[in-house]
Parts: sequence; structure tokens; C-alpha cells
Amino acid sequence: NAGVMQNPRHLVRRRGQEARLRCSPMKGHSHVYWYRQLPEEGLKFMVYLQKENIIDESGMPKERFSAEFPKEGPSILRIQQVVRGDSAAYFCASSPRRGRMETQYFGPGTRLLVL
Amino acid sequence: DQQVKQNSPSLSVQEGRISILNCDYTNSMFDYFLWYKKYPAEGPTFLISISSIKDKNEDGRFTVFLNKSAKHLSLHIVPSQPGDSAVYFCAASDSGGGADGLTFGKGTHLIIQP
Repeated sequence: NAGVMQNPRHLVRRRGQEARLRCSPMKGHSHVYWYRQLPEEGLKFMVYLQKENIIDESGMPKERFSAEFPKEGPSILRIQQVVRGDSAAYFCASSPRRGRMETQYFGPGTRLLVL
Repeated sequence: DQQVKQNSPSLSVQEGRISILNCDYTNSMFDYFLWYKKYPAEGPTFLISISSIKDKNEDGRFTVFLNKSAKHLSLHIVPSQPGDSAVYFCAASDSGGGADGLTFGKGTHLIIQP
């Protein structure tokens, strides 16, 4: 049973470009969470999505960041006009059901470097 | 405001001994707690969890203790093995409200010495 898949694993962008990060949840999971980890920090929740719905985006920056989880295909975290401060590891997690007591299973992350 | 705190950035333990990792939280609404282990360049791996209705949960070499009155939890690893060397994150959630995501501490780097 494949785990959570993320790609690319590493992404380099110049300031002002767009970054697209993809996440495929574990088989049977329809709930996806995105987190960001800055250097020397813990993971910070960004957004929680179900298929075709954003449920909780309380951790998303107000500008330049967006997320989607279409009916078909992976979840996408999109960062427009990247800045150096966006350099971080972005992790996706999935769970089989909604619920704050559901264990979230994480992917390997995408390391974004903005030059 | 750090709602989940892991005050020891690193911990060194001899192989075979007990490793004790600590975590404190400030949000009294948190009622579910998890420990994750993370190797460099990988994602966090779930280890063990505990609900606030319990004060202890055990799974093999891993035991988590919860002291609600002190808002403190700890992870015990016995016996410690070289493969346990990793960063350990404490995480918490509030099942009654708040964000759907987990709130993480900054992690403790556990080093198991031979």
C-alpha cells in the first residue's frame, strides 16, 4: 500500500516565479493537509482539503498561496510570485476520515528553494 | 505564540538506556496528542498517540504519558536503539474546535550513542 506521494522532492525557483507542489494521498484517504516547515522550526498547518472542497484554510497566508484537491488527480499547493521567505519544506499529510483524532500520515515533503 | 513546546532541542542517550522526551502545551482545549519521528530529508512518521481521557498509552518500546493538570506529556523509549536517532515532534489537536490541522512543537533531536 503506497504511502503519501509528493512531487517534486526538490524545487528551485527564482523570485517572482510560480511554484506548484503536488500531493497524492494514501490509497483510501480523501482528506489532505498541507504543512510548512521553516528551518529550525516545527511544522505549521496551512490548509485542510477534501475532494473539491477547502475545509479549513486558517493557516494559509492571505496572498499568493492557494490550494486545491480536484475530483481527479493530486492535491496542488500553488505559490505565486515566490519570495525568498517561501523557501521551506512543504509536507502533505492524509487521513482516511475527518476528525481531529484521526492520525495524519505524512509524505516525504517538497523542499522549495527560492533564489 | 508557541502552544506546543519542546524545550530540549537535543538529547543524547546511551544505547540500551531509556530515552525520555518531554513536551508541554498551553492550550487547555487540546485533547489529542501525537508523537512523530523524522529522519533528515524525509517526512514525519507517526509513532504513538494518546487521547486526553487516558494518562498512558504503550506500543512496544514506546510509551506516552499524559499529565493533564500539568499540561505535560512525555515519550519514553525503552530500550533505546541506534535507529531511534532522529528528530521527535510532539503534536496536538483540539477535537472540539480550532483548526483542523495539528499544532507541532519545534522538535527534539535524539542522538543514541553506542
